[in-house]
Amino acid sequence: DQQVKQNSPSLSVQEGRISILNCDYTNSMFDYFLWYKKYPAEGPTFLISISSIKDKNEDGRFTVFLNKSAKHLSLHIVPSQPGDSAVYFCAASKQRDNFNKFYFGSGTKLNVKP
Amino acid sequence: ETGVTQTPRHLVMGMTNKKSLKCEQHLGHNAMYWYKQSAKKPLELMFVYSLEERVENNSVPSRFSPECPNSSHLFLHLHTLQPEDSALYLCASSQEPDNQPQHFGDGTRLSIL
Repeated sequence: DQQVKQNSPSLSVQEGRISILNCDYTNSMFDYFLWYKKYPAEGPTFLISISSIKDKNEDGRFTVFLNKSAKHLSLHIVPSQPGDSAVYFCAASKQRDNFNKFYFGSGTKLNVKP
Repeated sequence: ETGVTQTPRHLVMGMTNKKSLKCEQHLGHNAMYWYKQSAKKPLELMFVYSLEERVENNSVPSRFSPECPNSSHLFLHLHTLQPEDSALYLCASSQEPDNQPQHFGDGTRLSIL
């Protein structure tokens, strides 16, 4: 039972345009959401996060939007650059006892064309 | 020193071998995790150690045996593995119980012959 889903396995965008990556979740108890970026042969790298008390968080070219009523999370990258080409994972967590249990999506491979 | 270091990066072993994966974190975190990533599938949480105590064991077969001797080191001992255990094994650490991201190592690519 996958609680976090990324329904688009891949996305191709022209350099300079906006990239929008989407993520849906099923558990309304999730209270912390993150996006990770992963290059081949490397581990996932934390990109940006958002708490459930907010609906938007921005960091430079990256903005994460949270729509709690729709249980939907999105990552906007603008402008997109060729170096952004990677696999992007969304993750959601809820506090459980003394640690955060994260649930990950299966990833979206972004290709930014020069 | 990078934040989370995993060794070896690649491992090929037979089904009857015994080997260990090692993870070391230099971030001062108090929780460490083992994940399994198979092709086209989400990361699967295997084990969680918080303050050196195992707090989560996600129905992982006993042929995988974790060990956390201190808050900076985490091992995954492997024995009698099956071909379906071939995957990327990722270690992560975080500071709990705060809402903080997990920091990942680069993983060990494991192939079972």
